[in-house]
Amino acid sequence: ETGVTQSPTHLIKTRGQQVTLRCSSQSGHNTVSWYQQALGQGPQFIFQYYREEENGRGNFPPRFSGLQFPNYSSELNVNALELDDSALYLCASSADRDRNTIYFGEGSWLTVV
Amino acid sequence: AQSVTQPDIHITVSEGASLELRCNYSYGATPYLFWYVQSPGQGLQLLLKYFSGDTLVQGIKGFEAEFKRSQSSFNLRKPSVHWSDAAEYFCAEYMDTGRRALTFGSGTRLQVQP
Repeated sequence: ETGVTQSPTHLIKTRGQQVTLRCSSQSGHNTVSWYQQALGQGPQFIFQYYREEENGRGNFPPRFSGLQFPNYSSELNVNALELDDSALYLCASSADRDRNTIYFGEGSWLTVV
Repeated sequence: AQSVTQPDIHITVSEGASLELRCNYSYGATPYLFWYVQSPGQGLQLLLKYFSGDTLVQGIKGFEAEFKRSQSSFNLRKPSVHWSDAAEYFCAEYMDTGRRALTFGSGTRLQVQP
């Protein structure tokens, strides 16, 4: 049990649509990162938020965007969905007191048809 | 470019046999290295991590890993594999120690035969 909860667990969207994925982490976890894991691959870093500000981005286009709220929960938004966006999206969080221990949620499976 | 390489895509071992999963990193004189496990349909669970100090790191579930700077390796080992160890294993390192963002290898799928 990592204390990181993601929703929804599975969803299907049509190409061109928009999707919002949500993440709730442990109290005090002020750093949240999102990763995309395509089938058969390792997770790839999308971006990170620290105290509600974007704190770094991987090699993903601007149609991938996010938010972190005052309670440190987070959203990942993807606009203009493409078939290649089909993947497991993982949320990860950590706290200042132990920034090197990163907890992952179980992910949201997105299928784009 | 920074990369983490896991040369073995798929490994099969018999239950009770020893296990070694290979990982090579490419970034940093002082790498921050991790091993995660992912069971089917699950998220990632941290097995162990190495930042400095003793090059042999003990983790959960009986796993250990050895950091070898001369070989740029951080191989995961277990003396005796259990059927429940069947899963996908990912080696990772920080791509940016400031942001604590991870770069992962492509994973090694472990199958355990009875």
